[in-house]
Amino acid sequence: QQPVQSPQAVILREGEDAVINCSSSKALYSVHWYRQKHGEAPVFLMILLKGGEQKGHEKISASFNEKKQQSSLYLTASQLSYSGTYFCGSPFSGGYNKLIFGAGTRLAVHP
Amino acid sequence: GAVVSQHPSWVICKSGTSVKIECRSLDFQATTMFWYRQFPKQSLMLMATSNEGSKATYEQGVEKDKFLINHASLTLSTLTVTSAHPEDSSFYICSACPGGRNQPQHFGDGTRLSIL
Repeated sequence: QQPVQSPQAVILREGEDAVINCSSSKALYSVHWYRQKHGEAPVFLMILLKGGEQKGHEKISASFNEKKQQSSLYLTASQLSYSGTYFCGSPFSGGYNKLIFGAGTRLAVHP
Repeated sequence: GAVVSQHPSWVICKSGTSVKIECRSLDFQATTMFWYRQFPKQSLMLMATSNEGSKATYEQGVEKDKFLINHASLTLSTLTVTSAHPEDSSFYICSACPGGRNQPQHFGDGTRLSIL
């Protein structure tokens, strides 16, 4: 079942913060986060494997609440380069690399 | 590291033509490769999982005779769209995973296919 992402779209001014959520009605074994810029391939950001795990990539960090079956991606002091569509992905089964992706969250950062 | 090359990046051809797309992992061995289809402003739709040396596993609703997948080596998988028609026009993206559990997917740059 496809993870649910919210919000669908976000518009920010450079320097502002944003949170993107990813949730599932089924167990989330792990959560993968990717960013895709228009016309390009998705780029891997990070994987969260355990409940409570938090990770960071530049000024982008994420948390994973296994019990609540959700993950959040935090973009701090956004830069123009953060613009793109963010996808969360969850494995079909634990430990496997085959993912089902959420519908995506479109982020636009303006000067 | 973890570079995946996809070729060609753009194809325009007539209806009825078969089109072959290559996906190569350049600096790692990819036990598993995935093929996706993406429509404008939509998510990545998994078409099939390709494992080296075995038959591909197709997702429900994907015609295996229409989309032929071959994974002949640990660095190369190919997708052939047979007898392509305008409704097959789309953005096709491959990804490759190193061996092991909980590995990230590394994506190719995608192929934009337009069937006239």
